[in-house]
Parts: sequence; structure tokens; C-alpha cells
Amino acid sequence: QITLKESGPTLVKPTQTLTLTCTFSGFSLSTSGVGVGWIRQPPGKALEWLGIIYWDDDKRYSPSLKSRLTITKDTSKNQVVLTVTNMDPVDTATYSCAHYSPLFSFDYWGQGTLVTVSS
Amino acid sequence: SYALTQPPSVSVSPGQTANITCSGDKLGDKYAWWYQQKPGQSPVLVIYQDSKRPSGIPERFSGSNSGNTATLTISGTQALDEADYFCQAWDSSTVVFGGGTKLTVL
Repeated sequence: QITLKESGPTLVKPTQTLTLTCTFSGFSLSTSGVGVGWIRQPPGKALEWLGIIYWDDDKRYSPSLKSRLTITKDTSKNQVVLTVTNMDPVDTATYSCAHYSPLFSFDYWGQGTLVTVSS
Repeated sequence: SYALTQPPSVSVSPGQTANITCSGDKLGDKYAWWYQQKPGQSPVLVIYQDSKRPSGIPERFSGSNSGNTATLTISGTQALDEADYFCQAWDSSTVVFGGGTKLTVL
């Protein structure tokens, strides 16, 4: 059974750096083809893909946010970390991590964590 | 950058067929995925690789993709199908989501 759960601050100030951790179980991020993606959703708005890290440590980022994003993994801890620099109120959203496979794309999602950016 | 366009809303009567479209340049040359999201819940994959249903997804959900348009079809729509639906594709190793369609069953 695959599960993922996001953790981190629920409130950050403008210009601060957001660090979120995705802790997962039921799969290994060292298995060929597997990845973990990050997706966010502002309240009442659409899903926005942020980036993905693959089993081989390859990473891809949203072109519009690439300069502010970093995704890393700790395979031994079954964790993936998302860092977003220079947070702004427009970055207020629910941030979710999801299991990726080439066939199913994002087939298992975490519950998401709402991050509010406010002074 | 690549973009996927969905109608903001679609309405359907119970028992009827709902068609939700997703448009993008030469989308038919790519695969499309579809997710269902109910209020307060995480998205659920309902269609992968254009037309395949994951285990546990009812047969009334089907998909197609040709030309510039992918379509999610819900046959015999039920009240519990009322949700937001998002399409997704890959372009140049990056992920693109559509803007979402709110399906209302009335």
C-alpha cells in the first residue's frame, strides 16, 4: 500500500524560504522508473505542477518556477524535500506530493498541506 | 509554453453522458491523464494513457485522445461523479495540467 504525507510549516512570511518534506511508504525511490512529484493548488484554483525527482536523481522543474525550486531525496529515509525560495502571498496554496510511474503518471497523492504566506 | 485548455464547467443530468474536453496543440501526439477531485480531497487518477482505467475506477469512465483534443466521458453519470476534473500531459519532460472543469450533476 502506497502512502505519502507532506509535512512542514503552515505559515511563512514573505521572502522566507519554504521547506516541505514528503514522507512515503509502500515503494522505493531507488526502483527504476519511479519518481515523486510536487504539485500545488491555490484555494479554489487549478493544479500547478512544481517538479519531480526520479529514482536516478534526475530532476525536472516547472519552467516558470525553476529558479526558486529545489527537490532532493533521501532514499534511506523514504523522504523527498521541496524547497521554495522567496515566498510571496501568491504562493499560498495546498502543496502535495505524489507517486509517479511512467504508466500511471501521478497515481497516489498525499493529503496535501496548506501553506499560507503572510506577514 | 505548452497549455491545456478545459471548459470551466459542464452540467449533466443524472443518467446522461458527460463529456469533458481538454485541448492542446497536437495533444493527440501525447498521452493524456485525467484526475477527479472532490472538495477537500486529493486528486484521484481516473484515466491514464488516454483511455485506460486504473483498478477500482468504474467502467462508466472512459477516455479518448485525437488531434488537439482529449475527452473524458462519463456514461450514466451519477450524483457522486460531481467533482472537479483535471487533464494532464507531458511536454518536454515537464508536466502540464489543464485549468480544471467543474462537473455539476443536476
